[in-house]
Amino acid sequence: ELQLVQSGAEVKKPGESLKISCQASGYSFTSYWIGWVRQMPGKGLEWMGIINPRDSDTRYSPSFEGQVTISADKSITSAYLQWSGLKASDTALYYCVRTVVVTGMRGWYFDLWGRGTMVTVSS
Amino acid sequence: DIQMTQSPSSLSPSVGERVIITCRASPGISKFLAWYQQKPGKAPNLLIYSATTLHSGVPSRFRGSGSGTDFTLTISSVQPEDVATYYCQQYNSAPITFGQGTRLEIK
Repeated sequence: ELQLVQSGAEVKKPGESLKISCQASGYSFTSYWIGWVRQMPGKGLEWMGIINPRDSDTRYSPSFEGQVTISADKSITSAYLQWSGLKASDTALYYCVRTVVVTGMRGWYFDLWGRGTMVTVSS
Repeated sequence: DIQMTQSPSSLSPSVGERVIITCRASPGISKFLAWYQQKPGKAPNLLIYSATTLHSGVPSRFRGSGSGTDFTLTISSVQPEDVATYYCQQYNSAPITFGQGTRLEIK
């Protein structure tokens, strides 16, 4: 079955580190880029970054560059989103997304979504 | 960054009515536009890409049109299961950007 299965909800304190995961199944993992989209409580969608699982080429939104790290392990068809020092403002729902890239890396859209991982950061 | 502006921000049609949601891009984005539907408490789903192409499995009552700066998502006969927030997204150039969303409720 074509799906992206994300890790469970997390509750963390400010300053803590965190790595959430997304495991893909039902398709060739290295044939698509995979990415992350943030949705803050009651707000819209924000693209964070994408990674090519074939060679780990990664592209970040300027809004998230340096704030998070995206990685992938093609041997277990999984992608990750990592923080080294969480802030309260990182409280949000994070979606893993299969990414369709337009020729030449002009842009991309998202044709398969995980169910989301809720991250709550509170002292 | 390319700015995406949706209108209206919310609407409340009756079942069976035709619904039109508009998305404006500044600057223009050719036909590099996608539409997503996010039902309450669920992840978004892709409806349309390349401005007019229906994603697999999406009902034919959904239609996308437009190019350049002005785009529309039309639901020909809205159904109760269409209650959702709809987002447009440009992929003409990075960073890709979303509209702010249009909330559809049924009267």
